[in-house]
Amino acid sequence: DAGVIQSPRHEVTEMGQEVTLRCKPISGHNSLFWYRQTMMRGLELLIYFNNNVPIDDSGMPEDRFSAKMPNASFSTLKIQPSEPRDSAVYFCASSPEGWGGSYTFGSGTRLTVV
Amino acid sequence: EDQVTQSPEALRLQEGESSSLNCSYTVSGLRGLFWYRQDPGKGPEFLFTLYSAGEEKEKERLKATLTKKESFLHITAPKPEDSATYLCAVQDSGGSNYKLTFGKGTLLTVNP
Repeated sequence: DAGVIQSPRHEVTEMGQEVTLRCKPISGHNSLFWYRQTMMRGLELLIYFNNNVPIDDSGMPEDRFSAKMPNASFSTLKIQPSEPRDSAVYFCASSPEGWGGSYTFGSGTRLTVV
Repeated sequence: EDQVTQSPEALRLQEGESSSLNCSYTVSGLRGLFWYRQDPGKGPEFLFTLYSAGEEKEKERLKATLTKKESFLHITAPKPEDSATYLCAVQDSGGSNYKLTFGKGTLLTVNP
């Protein structure tokens, strides 16, 4: 298994532009998580999907952020419009169960908004 | 709200010099405590899960222990390849039992 696959690995964009981050979870994993990592705040949960349905989006910072999971093998996190404070590393993780299990993280997307 | 505090923020050891990393946590009910390792430019990699006070898990030079308020990651005779950031996370037994709350990590550097 190739693990959790994220793209792109790096993204540099100008303030105000739309950014789309992509994630392919491990086949058979029914839980998917989007986390954001910064030096100041560490790893923070943005949104949790179970069986493609968003269960908890309370960590999404504001309406500029949206996430979708159209099928079991693909998810996107979109920021529109982007702002410099959105600069961070965004991780996608998947798990075969929503609780009690270890998560497998992707390698992340480093987003820089200038 | 669940809280996780890790100390020290950074630790530098000589190869073979054993030490411990600390993770203090506050949670209404603990479902599990997790340790992850993160290398530069990569996502966190799962190491251990601990479920109850008194439990211990071992993997090579690492041993994780758990009490009701904290967990320790003991590193015995470390090698340079053990250099990484070690993250602790908790999962509560309440309504958000899918969620991992992470500490900010301890950056471990092992010099040859």
